[in-house]
Amino acid sequence: EPEVTQTPSHQVTQMGQEVILRCVPISNHLYFYWYRQILGQKVEFLVSFYNNEISEKSEIFDDQFSVERPDGSNFTLKIRSTKLEDSAMYFCASSGDGGATGELFFGEGSRLTVL
Amino acid sequence: KNEVEQSPQNLTAQEGEFITINCSYSVGISALHWLQQHPGGGIVSLFMLSSGKKKHGRLIATINIQEKHSSLHITASHPRDSAVYICAVTGAGSYQLTFGKGTKLSVIP
Repeated sequence: EPEVTQTPSHQVTQMGQEVILRCVPISNHLYFYWYRQILGQKVEFLVSFYNNEISEKSEIFDDQFSVERPDGSNFTLKIRSTKLEDSAMYFCASSGDGGATGELFFGEGSRLTVL
Repeated sequence: KNEVEQSPQNLTAQEGEFITINCSYSVGISALHWLQQHPGGGIVSLFMLSSGKKKHGRLIATINIQEKHSSLHITASHPRDSAVYICAVTGAGSYQLTFGKGTKLSVIP
């Protein structure tokens, strides 16, 4: 069964360092998303991406964050200068031609710990 | 901005019991998702609904658009159903999912 894969599963970094989280969505999907979940809190939307551009972003997704689909298969989330409060589980998801009303397929998540 | 409320927050059931988890939201939506989060953290989509009712195995999801309410039912619950169940909604014309806090279900043998 096709799946969304994320790497790394866990990353520990020092405050101020740049981090890149990688995702390989399902190959024929068109819509891509990043979400985060701070420990003990609810999942929060960060950004959606369609047709090689951001289609929507939340207030959390400030200038420290960027997304890219560099090679047609990977979908990356970059945090330029990490802060302690960026520590969270980051989930990538993709959906087919249903977009926001289509079934979502999530990766297993990347846990980011900022020290 | 949509507010998504789930009840109960925690639920403990005996194996075999019928379980209901409720979700209400404040603003009209284009779709509602029921998700399952495993103890290890991974998230799996169970249902996507825009109207009516869907069934998959022992799971049933319903939505009442007029009342802004959805329910997830589990029949003949089993310990492997133990997980956090999350309701999330997509606003009309939006890609943004708004999530509830989740319902932690524990099914005891």
